[in-house]
Amino acid sequence: QSVLTQPPSVSAAPGQKVTISCSGSSSNIGNNYVSWYQQLPGTAPKLLIYDNNKRPSGIPDRFSGSNSGTSATLGITGLQTGDEADYYCGTWDSSLSAGVFGGGTKVTVL
Amino acid sequence: QLQLQESGPGLVKPSETLSLTCTVSGGSISSSSYYWGWIRQPPGKGLEWIGSIYFSGITSYNPSLKSRVTISVNTSKNQFSLKLSSVTAADTAVYYCARDFHSSGRNWFDPWGQGTLVTVSS
Repeated sequence: QSVLTQPPSVSAAPGQKVTISCSGSSSNIGNNYVSWYQQLPGTAPKLLIYDNNKRPSGIPDRFSGSNSGTSATLGITGLQTGDEADYYCGTWDSSLSAGVFGGGTKVTVL
Repeated sequence: QLQLQESGPGLVKPSETLSLTCTVSGGSISSSSYYWGWIRQPPGKGLEWIGSIYFSGITSYNPSLKSRVTISVNTSKNQFSLKLSSVTAADTAVYYCARDFHSSGRNWFDPWGQGTLVTVSS
């Protein structure tokens, strides 16, 4: 049981938009910054978003992050077949004094 | 370009100690502002943070694993290591090392090593 809650899967057609939610509490998302990771099949996770909404160099602006209270959202626009992957949210939990992740969301391009 | 590479045995017997090393290249492990962390992923499951270390030796561990985990750093070799004692089949996972930015509520991991599968079995 993950501290952060994500939907197991989302899907959309090529070119469309998907959003992935990440729900937490005041001890984690509510008071700390969120990061997002993309894990392509058989590879290591890759940082997509940090500090809630910042993109590392090389990450296209099709990927965006936002926060509201104790929830965060990752948005992917102009969906491509290469975006099929598992996506994880992460943050620090001040009560646990631990890094925590969501359970992951599988994105399928129809 | 900073790169991390995990190394260590791929098979560990139950009740023994899992030992892995992460070698950092393309940058110094003594960089300020960054910790160096271990994250694991059981087959078909999600990510779990194990712990992190600063180049000075300051450590932070996941409370759920703290009694069994030791993370150390060797700045002269630009390496940091993980030891997990009394392993069981539940510790079978891909183990990743990663640079860990952690400051004032900000926490993210980048880049990651390619990961190494460790199987616990007799």
